[in-house]
Order: sequence, then structure tokens, then C-alpha cells
Amino acid sequence: KAGVTQTPRYLIKTRGQQVTLSCSPISGHRSVSWYQQTPGQGLQFLFEYFSETQRNKGNFPGRFSGRQFSNSRSEMNVSTLELGDSALYLCASSLEPARYGYTFGSGTRLTVV
Amino acid sequence: AQKVTQAQTEISVVEKEDVTLDCVYETRDTTYYLFWYKQPPSGELVFLIRRNSFDEQNEISGRYSWNFQKSTSSFNFTITASQVVDSAVYFCALSEVQETSGSRLTFGEGTQLTVNP
Repeated sequence: KAGVTQTPRYLIKTRGQQVTLSCSPISGHRSVSWYQQTPGQGLQFLFEYFSETQRNKGNFPGRFSGRQFSNSRSEMNVSTLELGDSALYLCASSLEPARYGYTFGSGTRLTVV
Repeated sequence: AQKVTQAQTEISVVEKEDVTLDCVYETRDTTYYLFWYKQPPSGELVFLIRRNSFDEQNEISGRYSWNFQKSTSSFNFTITASQVVDSAVYFCALSEVQETSGSRLTFGEGTQLTVNP
């Protein structure tokens, strides 16, 4: 079966712009989580969506937001981009949160210049 | 607060050597899950194993084995007869179980494993 699909794979944006990243989970998975990976901070949890509702949120500023659609696809948006937002953004889907291994996508590498 | 510590930042071995990656965790929960993921250069996190807090039985899967010791809050990972393809960054992660308020993975810093031919 198809894995977790993230688009685009690479993105270059200018400071101050906004960006939207997309994630299509494995069919049947209703939980979608987002993580940010940077060399300095490592892997950090952004938020989790389950059946279109945000259930859990990490410690990130309000510039980071997300949503989930009825087909479980999810998007995350970052507004007013800063240089420090340059990172690999990883999406993970799960059939049942915490009880099963999360399946991650290949990520979107965002570079802010 | 939950915390995962992988004290080994980098490990370099020669092919066919055995290597153990250490993971120590902190949590106040009595029910939790532990994971190991592998991240090759392509960036995708590849799931290796999940273990719940009530199951301390060690596990072996091919060349991989895991040693979970609740008494020392450790969940170590051993690769036997390492191969060049095992070169990657390995992450240990911890997840609390909250059925209604969602879940999150807390990752360790990762261990870069390099297997030289």
C-alpha cells in the first residue's frame, strides 16, 4: 500500500513569506502528526490531528498552524517565515495514536533565505 | 516532562562488528511506548520497533535485538554483524498514551552510525 506522501520535497522561500506543506497519510489512518527537524533542536513535535481536530500541540509560535481535511490529508502552514524555520518537516500517520508504530513520510526540506 | 537521552552522538565500526546503541528515558507515566527509528540520508524515518512499558521481554529480529530494562529506564538496540547499509542516524523515541488528548513522540538526539567496509 502507498506510504505517507509529502509534497513538495524541497522548497526555497524568502524571509517574511508564508508556506504551505502537504501530507497524505496512509489510507485508513486518521491521525496525522507533524515534526520539525533541525541540526540544533533535533526532532520536535509540532501538532497532531485526528479526524479533522487538533488534539495535541507542541511548543511552537502561532505562526505555525495546520489543518486536516475529511479525507485525512493534512496541511501545515508557516507564516512570516524566519531564517530559523529552515528545517526538514516530517509528517507521520498512524492508525491508532501511540499504540502502533508511526509511519513517516520522506519530509519536506524548507530553506528560508 | 518526558525526556530521551542518547549519549552516543557518533559511532564508527568496521563491517561485521557488533554495535550497541544506548537509550535512556525519563517519564512519570506508568504506561508508555518506546520506539526505535532509522533515518538514512534520504531523510525518511524508518520504523524499527515499538515496545510498551509492560513488556520487558527482549526481542530479536534478524540481526537486530533490543534490551528493555525498566529498572534502569533503558531501551538499548544492538546490531549484530553490522553491514555498510546499516549506516544511518538512529533515533530512540518515547510516547505517552493519551487516548483522548492525542499523543506525541519525544525523540532522543540521535546516534550517527557509520559502518566502514
